[in-house]
Amino acid sequence: NAGVTQTPKFRVLKTGQSMTLLCAQDMNHEYMYWYRQDPGMGLRLIHYSVGEGTTAKGEVPDGYNVSRLKKQNFLLGLESAAPSQTSVYFCASSRPSGGAAETQYFGPGTRLLVL
Amino acid sequence: QKEVEQDPGPLSVPEGAIVSLNCTYSNSAFQYFMWYRQYSRKGPELLMYTYSSGNKEDGRFTAQVDKSSKYISLFIRDSQPSDSATYLCAMSASDFNKFYFGSGTKLNVKP
Repeated sequence: NAGVTQTPKFRVLKTGQSMTLLCAQDMNHEYMYWYRQDPGMGLRLIHYSVGEGTTAKGEVPDGYNVSRLKKQNFLLGLESAAPSQTSVYFCASSRPSGGAAETQYFGPGTRLLVL
Repeated sequence: QKEVEQDPGPLSVPEGAIVSLNCTYSNSAFQYFMWYRQYSRKGPELLMYTYSSGNKEDGRFTAQVDKSSKYISLFIRDSQPSDSATYLCAMSASDFNKFYFGSGTKLNVKP
């Protein structure tokens, strides 16, 4: 049971390049989330999904897109990277229980540097 | 105003000390309260999970929630150097679609 995994672990991009971050979970969780973590800012929600085929915007969605084609995978895309998107990106998952989701399990993170 | 406020520290204590970490929040709809521990260059891992008000104890860790004051605390007894990490509080309302995190408090326990 690997839990939540993220690919890649580290990436350097030039401004304007695109990339996709992959998150996979093997816990059969319904809900998945993408966060970014910046110094002094804590974790900020980018997008989330409450089930396969559904996505919704979080606190800081601009410049990102997501897709949840399979229940176990949640992809985060940057169409045209900007230096302001330099950050550590965390994926998380949780499962609903009695109408509310239980707490989240996090992946190890992806460090992204945009030059 | 941020939804969740947390003192960033750093907080430095000697081994064996009792540590108190705190968060305040503004949204009275929050019902689920969590504490995460994050080691350097790692993802957050869940330490404590509490629903509504009250106390919860797990080994050396005690979580307290005071909804009337919109204040939550994490106490660490007999702190160890291995407790050195950043501690994040997190909260959610009943819809649970979104979690709101504090910015984290960096703790250093000196041997």
